[in-house]
Amino acid sequence: GAGVSQSPSNKVTEKGKDVELRCDPISGHTALYWYRQRLGQGLEFLIYFQGNSAPDKSGLPSDRFSAERTGESVSTLTIQRTQQEDSAVYLCASSVQVYNEQFFGPGTRLTVL
Amino acid sequence: SQQGEEDPQALSIQEGENATMNCSYKTSINNLQWYRQNSGRGLVHLILIRSNEREKHSGRLRVTLDTSKKSSSLLITASRAADTASYFCATVNAGGTSYGKLTFGQGTILTVHP
Repeated sequence: GAGVSQSPSNKVTEKGKDVELRCDPISGHTALYWYRQRLGQGLEFLIYFQGNSAPDKSGLPSDRFSAERTGESVSTLTIQRTQQEDSAVYLCASSVQVYNEQFFGPGTRLTVL
Repeated sequence: SQQGEEDPQALSIQEGENATMNCSYKTSINNLQWYRQNSGRGLVHLILIRSNEREKHSGRLRVTLDTSKKSSSLLITASRAADTASYFCATVNAGGTSYGKLTFGQGTILTVHP
């Protein structure tokens, strides 16, 4: 079956612009996670969804970051007024339920000029 | 903050040799997962081991978990050039408010020479 998909695969934007990143989880997976990976580093947790509610937003770095999810389907991560330090690969993962294996998408590489 | 810390940071071996990577963590965990990443993208899930388990196998992979020492190891036997990648351990904290989120270490870069 299809894995987690993300779009776009690459995004180059100018400082100050808004960007929207999309994640399509594996069908039937109730839990969805967003992570960020800066160059040469491990992953940082951003936000978690159970269904379409987000009980844990603790990893969002600032109020410029927001995310939403439609039911147990697509999620979008929005970054407003992008800054150069936002440049990273943004990875989405889904799992059948919490405490299970997380399956990752290919990521969106964001470059802020 | 990073929970899992991998050791070594980089490992270079010849094809056919075994590779061992270690991971240490600080808090009580629900489970620990190992992932492989090629070329800075594409995280592939390898193994999940729960806190009440001590050892798991999957093909050429063997994972051990010692909760008393808060450490885990990943052994890849009979390595192949295709095993060249970065390997990450990631922990899920125990407790209902962890929401299953993974806390990653910095990773071990494994290079297998043909």
